[in-house]
Amino acid sequence: KAGVTQTPRYLIKTRGQQVTLSCSPISGHRSVSWYQQTPGQGLQFLFEYFSETQRNKGNFPGRFSGRQFSNSRSEMNVSTLELGDSALYLCASSLGVGNGYTFGSGTRLTVV
Amino acid sequence: EDQVTQSPEALRLQEGESSSLNCSYTVSGLRGLFWYRQDPGKGPEFLFTLYSAGEEKEKERLKATLTKKESFLHITAPKPEDSATYLCAVQEGQGAQKLVFGQGTRLTINP
Repeated sequence: KAGVTQTPRYLIKTRGQQVTLSCSPISGHRSVSWYQQTPGQGLQFLFEYFSETQRNKGNFPGRFSGRQFSNSRSEMNVSTLELGDSALYLCASSLGVGNGYTFGSGTRLTVV
Repeated sequence: EDQVTQSPEALRLQEGESSSLNCSYTVSGLRGLFWYRQDPGKGPEFLFTLYSAGEEKEKERLKATLTKKESFLHITAPKPEDSATYLCAVQEGQGAQKLVFGQGTRLTINP
């Protein structure tokens, strides 16, 4: 059974640019969540999608956005990149409420 | 606001030396407490979910327990391959698929 797939694995961008990260959940999982992990702040919730609808959003600026497609694949976008956006971005999928979360290996974003 | 505090931040043990990691939490309406293991450069790997006080779960050398205010991850006779960062997270509220994570405990097992 394939796990959660995130692409790309590594990304280097310049300040001011924008970036799109992709996540393919486990087959049958309709909930996709995104997290940002940094050494200082740890893992922080960005947003969660279920059946193409954003159900929850974390405390991040509007530069961070996401969407989910009808096949449950999800993308997140960060516009006007700042140095502080450098982090490991993790995607997790779940069958839904009451079920566990499976994480992908993440996308390592470096902003220079 | 939900809070999760893990202790210690880092722990070094000799192979075979048992110990426990702590996770204290404050949440309005716990729906689940999760333990994950994370190796460098990888995403968190699911270990356990606990739902109610008194619940215990085991997997190989790991045993997780839950009270109303904290959870413990007991490691019995650890091996070097158990070295990793162990993360605790809580899920709160009805229908909220949001996990609040602690900062993790970095565990090193020396051979």
